Amino acid sequence: GQQLNQSPQSMFIQEGEDVSMNCTSSSIFNTWLWYKQDPGEGPVLLIALYKAGELTSNGRLTAQFGITRKDSFLNISASIPSDVGIYFCAGQLSFGNEKLTFGTGTRLTIIP
Amino acid sequence: GAVVSQHPSRVICKSGTSVKIECRSLDFQATTMFWYRQFPKKSLMLMATSNEGSKATYEQGVEKDKFLINHASLTLSTLTVTSAHPEDSSFYICSARNSGRTTGELFFGEGSRLTVL
Repeated sequence: GQQLNQSPQSMFIQEGEDVSMNCTSSSIFNTWLWYKQDPGEGPVLLIALYKAGELTSNGRLTAQFGITRKDSFLNISASIPSDVGIYFCAGQLSFGNEKLTFGTGTRLTIIP
Repeated sequence: GAVVSQHPSRVICKSGTSVKIECRSLDFQATTMFWYRQFPKKSLMLMATSNEGSKATYEQGVEKDKFLINHASLTLSTLTVTSAHPEDSSFYICSARNSGRTTGELFFGEGSRLTVL
């Protein structure tokens, strides 16, 4: 099935650094969602974006819904050890069609 | 909250047997649930859409007779892997949307790891 292009594929950073990752699509989505997945667990919803241009924060996380509706980015400020995991973007076509198309994932590792 | 729970979290079975995985929305009703499959270090791939009171909708390439889905109530969907084989070993994850909300975000269960010997 279709997948969204997510970059970078992996990141190795030091604690305290800021992180930025993005997701692009050839198709328009009307909702963008960002999830974090820890090993052996299901994804946990971090931020949901519903309008083009929308900028939303959740603590140290900030995400934006691109104006073209074909992209989104997620920033994490002042990273801490518990931020380690895999981050997935996901696009949703419409309210009546809730199927999610997932990004390829960004694996975040914090170097001690 | 919006809690989705899966059971079992881990299951090991012999080749040829069938395994049932349950997905429950604990604090909301869900007319639609989704079943995903995830291979190691890969993203989630949608298998099927589970609709309460009607037949599931399967994605292209997913065998409906192999992966039986039943959505008997507004809080429970089950995935049965029939005549399991080692290649069916995977991490299966369900998700659900809160039917009482006007936004479409999906909440995921903890996942069920199936190992077929």
